[in-house]
Amino acid sequence: QKEVEQDPGPLSVPEGAIVSLNCTYSNSAFQYFMWYRQYSRKGPELLMYTYSSGNKEDGRFTAQVDKSSKYISLFIRDSQPSDSATYLCAMKFSNYQLIWGAGTKLIIKP
Amino acid sequence: DTGVSQDPRHKITKRGQNVTFRCDPISEHNRLYWYRQTLGQGPEFLTYFQNEAQLEKSRLLSDRFSAERPKGSFSTLEIQRTEQGDSAMYLCASSSAGTGEQYFGPGTRLTVT
Repeated sequence: QKEVEQDPGPLSVPEGAIVSLNCTYSNSAFQYFMWYRQYSRKGPELLMYTYSSGNKEDGRFTAQVDKSSKYISLFIRDSQPSDSATYLCAMKFSNYQLIWGAGTKLIIKP
Repeated sequence: DTGVSQDPRHKITKRGQNVTFRCDPISEHNRLYWYRQTLGQGPEFLTYFQNEAQLEKSRLLSDRFSAERPKGSFSTLEIQRTEQGDSAMYLCASSSAGTGEQYFGPGTRLTVT
């Protein structure tokens, strides 16, 4: 079993819908949780960075961490075709090393 | 542009040749990371520098791989005697010593024929 599990998708939704992306993890020592967006053949772009449990909002994006369930989510409101990309979750295992999910491919249909 | 930059963006090489990639981090970041990513997978950690010191190297990294950061600024990643299995995207990231948020460059796509 991988330390971080993420459904690869693809997840296809119509423009304007609310998107929910999720990761589960097994290591309770993780304290920092990140969401990255990656367009095809580009490097990952940091979207959200959260510490411990709770919610964090930035524009149309909301990150949610539930440490008791070892479950994190990223919500995208008013989704746009430009949001079509692969979304990767990552967690901090130690002072520096990130442990990654495999990524969920998201398709927003106009 | 103040982001992480990588050079070259694409490299095609024949099996057995050596290749070298360069990464220029965000200027105020003292931490630099190399990752490898294959299709449909998240990035795989290769190595990490704090200033010029290489503090960690993945156990998965063969001896054909070596990285340097001689003056604590840019870094190079060299792969000797390339194999077809080395074909991947090689990503560089940098962070400050505070929260450790890692910012990635555009990557170098390596194809070994």
